[in-house]
Amino acid sequence: QVQLQESGPGLVKPSGTLSLTCAVSGGSISSSNWWSWVRQPPGKGLEWIGEIYHSGSTNYNPSLKSRVTISVDKSKNQFSLKVSSVTAADTAVYYCARVLITTAGAGIDSWGQGTLVTVSS
Amino acid sequence: SYELTQPPSVSVSPGQTARITCSGDALPKKYAYWYQQKSGQAPVLVIYEDSKRPSWIPERFSGSSSGTMATLTISGAQVEDEGDYYCYSTDSSGNHRVFGGGTKLTVL
Repeated sequence: QVQLQESGPGLVKPSGTLSLTCAVSGGSISSSNWWSWVRQPPGKGLEWIGEIYHSGSTNYNPSLKSRVTISVDKSKNQFSLKVSSVTAADTAVYYCARVLITTAGAGIDSWGQGTLVTVSS
Repeated sequence: SYELTQPPSVSVSPGQTARITCSGDALPKKYAYWYQQKSGQAPVLVIYEDSKRPSWIPERFSGSSSGTMATLTISGAQVEDEGDYYCYSTDSSGNHRVFGGGTKLTVL
């Protein structure tokens, strides 16, 4: 049973960069899965941020693409998220997740517990 | 950008059937996935690939898809089924994922 655990600062200043890491245990990040980031602003719905394959291939939400970078570190079995030029609108619970890809789309089958990141001075 | 549309809320009495819909132009060719989220918790997968149910999900949960609409059905809804439900799918390019806006299910 794969487990995912987010870590990183819970408070980021406006205009700064939000950085989070997701540690994967119980499975290899080099398996045939993609790895994703999803966020949820307080009281609002889920928003897909993007995903990465162990080869480094990425897909990003077009609305966030200019500010988002997702990377993978196979030696540490983890992947990371950076969001630049943050504002209060980036305040959210951030989840990392495992994605199963099929010929007709993809779905998340495992989630981290989530971590709240607040953007405030 | 691609969108999935869900009703904001659905309300049923215990034991009744709840149906939550999700509409999107790419659904005829892309699978829908459904997630249940209870307050303060991470989402949980309840239906994958339109109609498949994980082994740990009660049999009262089922899914279907026809044309541009996917449907999550909870037959004999229980109070413990209350929560927010989200559909999730892929756009026609195959490279971008999207969540529906979420549906709050009330069972009372």
